[in-house]
Order: sequence, then C-alpha cells, then structure tokens
Amino acid sequence: DGGITQSPKYLFRKEGQNVTLSCEQNLNHDAMYWYRQDPGQGLRLIYYSQIVNDFQKGDIAEGYSVSREKKESFPLTVTSAQKNPTAFYLCASRIRKDRGGNQPQHFGDGTRLSIL
Amino acid sequence: GESVGLHLPTLSVQEGDNSIINCAYSNSASDYFIWYKQESGKGPQFIIDIRSNMDKRQGQRVTVLLNKTVKHLSLQIAATQPGDSAVYFCAESKTSYDKVIFGPGTSLSVIP
Repeated sequence: DGGITQSPKYLFRKEGQNVTLSCEQNLNHDAMYWYRQDPGQGLRLIYYSQIVNDFQKGDIAEGYSVSREKKESFPLTVTSAQKNPTAFYLCASRIRKDRGGNQPQHFGDGTRLSIL
Repeated sequence: GESVGLHLPTLSVQEGDNSIINCAYSNSASDYFIWYKQESGKGPQFIIDIRSNMDKRQGQRVTVLLNKTVKHLSLQIAATQPGDSAVYFCAESKTSYDKVIFGPGTSLSVIP
C-alpha cells in the first residue's frame, strides 16, 4: 500500500536538545510539507519542498530545519531554538501542481512531541 | 504571529440526521478547496474537493457547496453516522501558489 509514514509516533525532548522527526512516502510525490498542530487549532505550515534539494519556509519556520536529499524523505529537525515545541507534527505530500494540477495532500499519522 | 489557544466550534447532531459544516475562506483568488476529516491522534484524511469553476460537487454521502460571492464553503453529510464524529477542516489553495491554507476546524459529535 502506498502512503506516508511518520516516526516515531511519540517523541520526548530534553532542554537544549535537537530532535529529528522522520517522514517517508512511497507515493512518488514531488511535493512534501510539514505542519504543526496545537490543541484545538488548525494546521500551520513549517516548511515545504517542491523538489529534491530545494525547500521553502512556511509561516512558522523559526526554530526548525529540514532537508530534502531524497524524493521519498523529508525529515524535520526541531532545534533547541524552538522554545515551545510541544505539539502534534504532521507531514504531507502531494503531486506537484505542474505535473497534475491542484490535488489534495496525503497526510501521515503524525508525531506527538513533548518536553521532558 | 502565534495564535492563542482556541476552542473549536462544535456541532452536535443526532445519528441519522444531516450535518452541515461551514467554512469561510480568506483569499478571493483561491481556486481549489478541500475538506479533510481528522480523527483523534491521526492525520487528516481527504474527503472531497472542488475547483472554483464549480458550485457543487457530490461524493458518497457528502456534498460540498462553494459560494464565491461571499467566500463560503460548506460540507453536507447525509445520514450522519457515529463514525463521522471527528474534526473537519476546510482548506484553500491557489493554482499559482504552492501553499495550502487550513481553516481552524469544526468538531462534529454524533449522538447515537
């Protein structure tokens, strides 16, 4: 089955520590996205990537970093500069617009990050 | 800036009744709209989408209505079932724009 896999499902961060959240997709999608979701709120865009080795900041990129070395993978690092990292992190992918028009995003099942 | 904590709008319906979930979108230039369903602890699942050249689109038990004049989107669920209990998000996008903007969500609770 094709889909998006996020790991781990739960993650705990100590003060001053960087942590990396994994996102892998086998849907052959070019575009990948990271969102943050706080309790009772919608999704806010952290970073997105339309193609390998390229990515753009979203609305709340401060304190986060990403890489896109492979089409299938888009890991997100939550750095120690992110002072309020406790949230539910969602990864998504979709066909790039210039290859298939506007299409819905497919989401993973998220990683819940908490502070120790 | 950072959003403050919000309470989600909540809709409670009796099992078997029809549900209508509303959404006001922000950008008059948006031309693609999507509804997602999110169950607790899971990622959003695609329900139905509509492009701006349409006013209505139907799926299985769901209908999306688009009113571009007042920038309003609605999701109608027929014969609502307990399994429909979830948070529903509308999202908007523009063909020339890579980002997808999500609304705050509505929590649907189905009373058996």
